[in-house]
Amino acid sequence: GAVVSQHPSWVICKSGTSVKIECRSLDFQATTMFWYRQFPKQSLMLMATSNEGSKATYEQGVEKDKFLINHASLTLSTLTVTSAHPEDSSFYICSARVLTGEDGYTFGSGTRLTVV
Amino acid sequence: GDSVTQMEGPVTLSEEAFLTINCTYTATGYPSLFWYVQYPGEGLQLLLKATKADDKGSNKGFEATYRKETTSFHLEKGSVQVSDSAVYFCAPIYNFNKFYFGSGTKLNVKP
Repeated sequence: GAVVSQHPSWVICKSGTSVKIECRSLDFQATTMFWYRQFPKQSLMLMATSNEGSKATYEQGVEKDKFLINHASLTLSTLTVTSAHPEDSSFYICSARVLTGEDGYTFGSGTRLTVV
Repeated sequence: GDSVTQMEGPVTLSEEAFLTINCTYTATGYPSLFWYVQYPGEGLQLLLKATKADDKGSNKGFEATYRKETTSFHLEKGSVQVSDSAVYFCAPIYNFNKFYFGSGTKLNVKP
């Protein structure tokens, strides 16, 4: 089936630095990708919708200047956490809609970000 | 607004016990309904789905039926295994392809 490859799977960074997370659709074109974050023992919360070739749409309460999303091609979307702080430590997951096949939507394996 | 309510966990069962995890959704429009599973340290995997009323999704012994009259999509399995221990998310999808994830239900299956 359709696969979204997400990297890195985990990352530790210092406060104030930036971290980039990549999501690639391996065998299909993803016009739209979704970015979620998950705090410990909580559900996934949609952060933003990433559209190829245009600006991302952010959910209410999500700082677009802090969470930079780029979707420059049909197979790659990136999320950059800028000037990271410990409260940004979370599990980030991307998702893409698959227009063929059974799944419909496929998720990346997630990135565990720890800011120290 | 659009939302979903999921049974709180954790749920602890013995192996071979019957499992039900309740899920109800807000009845605006006709969402497609999904159950996703998250194993420890991993991302989400699609477990099953149903796209219209009375559809039954099934996979790996799990089943869920799209009940429009009760706006529910309860997950069931007749005999759970230790390997089923995970967090299960109910997720309807409404317009604009946005999932609304339930709070997740952690299932612990003891041998």
